[in-house]
Amino acid sequence: DGGITQSPKYLFRKEGQNVTLSCEQNLNHDAMYWYRQDPGQGLRLIYYSQIVNDFQKGDIAEGYSVSREKKESFPLTVTSAQKNPTAFYLCASSIDSETGSYNEQFFGPGTRLTVL
Amino acid sequence: EDQVTQSPEALRLQEGESSSLNCSYTVSGLRGLFWYRQDPGKGPEFLFTLYSAGEEKEKERLKATLTKKESFLHITAPKPEDSATYLCAVQGGGADGLTFGKGTHLIIQP
Repeated sequence: DGGITQSPKYLFRKEGQNVTLSCEQNLNHDAMYWYRQDPGQGLRLIYYSQIVNDFQKGDIAEGYSVSREKKESFPLTVTSAQKNPTAFYLCASSIDSETGSYNEQFFGPGTRLTVL
Repeated sequence: EDQVTQSPEALRLQEGESSSLNCSYTVSGLRGLFWYRQDPGKGPEFLFTLYSAGEEKEKERLKATLTKKESFLHITAPKPEDSATYLCAVQGGGADGLTFGKGTHLIIQP
């Protein structure tokens, strides 16, 4: 089955710790994205990557970092510099955000991060 | 800056009672308007993409329409399993990510 997987489903972190959220896709999509969802707010874009070894900041990148060493994987690190990290984190992918006519983004099941 | 406003924030309907959800948007060079369904604690599930004014798409009890300023998600004779939060998003000409609205929380009572 093709799809997007995120792990872990739930993550607890102490203040001052960095944590890494995993996102893997086997859809052969070029582009991958990270969004953050807070209660009562729309999803907000953190980082995105259109190609391996390249990524761009989204609207709320401060306190986060990413890497894209493989086409299938786009891990997100929430650093201690992120002031309000408790949220639901969603990873998505699309065929090609630039040239493809298929702009739909498909989402993983999400990771709920709680800072204790 | 792209903006999306969804209304109402919440809607409670009786089973079989048809209605519409609204998504108003402002965007520079619309590349696509997207509707998603999201169940509690899960990732959004893709429903429709609309590209140009006048376009319509249907799936089971759902029909999405698009004008130059807004999109409607019409739900006909809904069932309790249609209860979810429906999200609207746009992709503008200068953006790679999507700009989302806050969603409409739909409850269908048996």
